[in-house]
Amino acid sequence: GENVEQHPSTLSVQEGDSAVIKCTYSDSASNYFPWYKQELGKRPQLIIDIRSNVGEKKDQRIAVTLNKTAKHFSLHITETQPEDSAVYFCAASSPYDMRFGAGTRLTVKP
Amino acid sequence: EAQVTQNPRYLITVTGKKLTVTCSQNMNHEYMSWYRQDPGLGLRQIYYSMNVEVTDKGDVPEGYKVSRKEKRNFPLILESPSPNQTSLYFCASSLDFGVYEQYFGPGTRLTVT
Repeated sequence: GENVEQHPSTLSVQEGDSAVIKCTYSDSASNYFPWYKQELGKRPQLIIDIRSNVGEKKDQRIAVTLNKTAKHFSLHITETQPEDSAVYFCAASSPYDMRFGAGTRLTVKP
Repeated sequence: EAQVTQNPRYLITVTGKKLTVTCSQNMNHEYMSWYRQDPGLGLRQIYYSMNVEVTDKGDVPEGYKVSRKEKRNFPLILESPSPNQTSLYFCASSLDFGVYEQYFGPGTRLTVT
């Protein structure tokens, strides 16, 4: 089955700096890679996703890159703001399995 | 409003007392799933359902049961809860399995003493 590793587990940045979270996956059949944001005490919510036929996707300050050969994908947040503070989860989905990473707690210091 | 609902939101119970956590979605989604969230372990899938009457085990199914008699409902049943099932539980649904966003319920915090 799929195995997803996520790094770092915690990340602290200064407001305005960039943040990068990286994930690796093991199943070459994985074809969908969503990222979820979970604010304290709330449910995870999708912030961006990418499919295996695309190498990069951007939505305002958030971007995701995918390297299928190396089996890794990354979340990039630019110009971070205090409201970006949350736990971020990556996930990898194959036609028969979906796994989440263990999460990254991002803290943006004002 | 399109949503996934769970009840109860908080529950404290004792070892061995059967309980059910309900999950309902109003988006006509085919796929539904249960996860538990524990510190440092992320979201681990307990059971999932591809369609009505079709359910299958996830990564951590021991001690749990589910049923999918109707498309909108996917209850999680703990026949004999134990303290190691103390966790935060999320129900989720998506249009189908695979390349679709999962919508999560608000979560149920369960404590088993």
